[in-house]
Amino acid sequence: TQLLEQSPQFLSIQEGENLTVYCNSSSVFSSLQWYRQEPGEGPVLLVTVVTGGEVKKLKRLTFQFGDARKDSSLHITAAQPGDTGLYLCAGAEVGAGSYQLTFGKGTKLSVIP
Amino acid sequence: DVKVTQSSRYLVKRTGEKVFLECVQDMDHENMFWYRQDPGLGLRLIYFSYDVKMKEKGDIPEGYSVSREKKERFSLILESASTNQTSMYLCASSFSSGSRYNEQFFGPGTRLTVL
Repeated sequence: TQLLEQSPQFLSIQEGENLTVYCNSSSVFSSLQWYRQEPGEGPVLLVTVVTGGEVKKLKRLTFQFGDARKDSSLHITAAQPGDTGLYLCAGAEVGAGSYQLTFGKGTKLSVIP
Repeated sequence: DVKVTQSSRYLVKRTGEKVFLECVQDMDHENMFWYRQDPGLGLRLIYFSYDVKMKEKGDIPEGYSVSREKKERFSLILESASTNQTSMYLCASSFSSGSRYNEQFFGPGTRLTVL
């Protein structure tokens, strides 16, 4: 199973700042998901991107899928304390088992009021 | 909305005990998964099932078994719990491939402590 590398591992910022987190791999993915996990809870699906170069917006969150479908980024504008959590990316590899996802280890975001 | 529920949020067991973790989903998903999540190691797949009575080993199946007698229910069994199985256990479900981009929906997790 190919790895999905997420960076940074940890990020602590002040409320109102902007940030970007990255998800990179050498594998090509047919789709890629972003999840947010709050402490003590399960991951919650935020978005799925499927087309190279695709950009999706969810309020202050902007998700981009790389042109080659090997990487993705999540940009948060004017971060709020409610954005605090672990952000996970997960991809469905082209040619791999049809129901499995490869997960990154996550970026732990803390937004300080 | 997809709903995945897990039988316990917190569980404390003793070394050597048999432990059952149950997961139920209400969206008629074909696939169900069990993961464990540990700091620094991320999510690791223990077992998954793509149909009733069908199961496949994931990356770390040792010390675990699973049962899927009904489509909506997937159970994880620790035959003889050990302290290194202390972890957060997450259940997930998804539609079969081709229809939903492999999106997985997670339960709230069970925090298991083995003393």
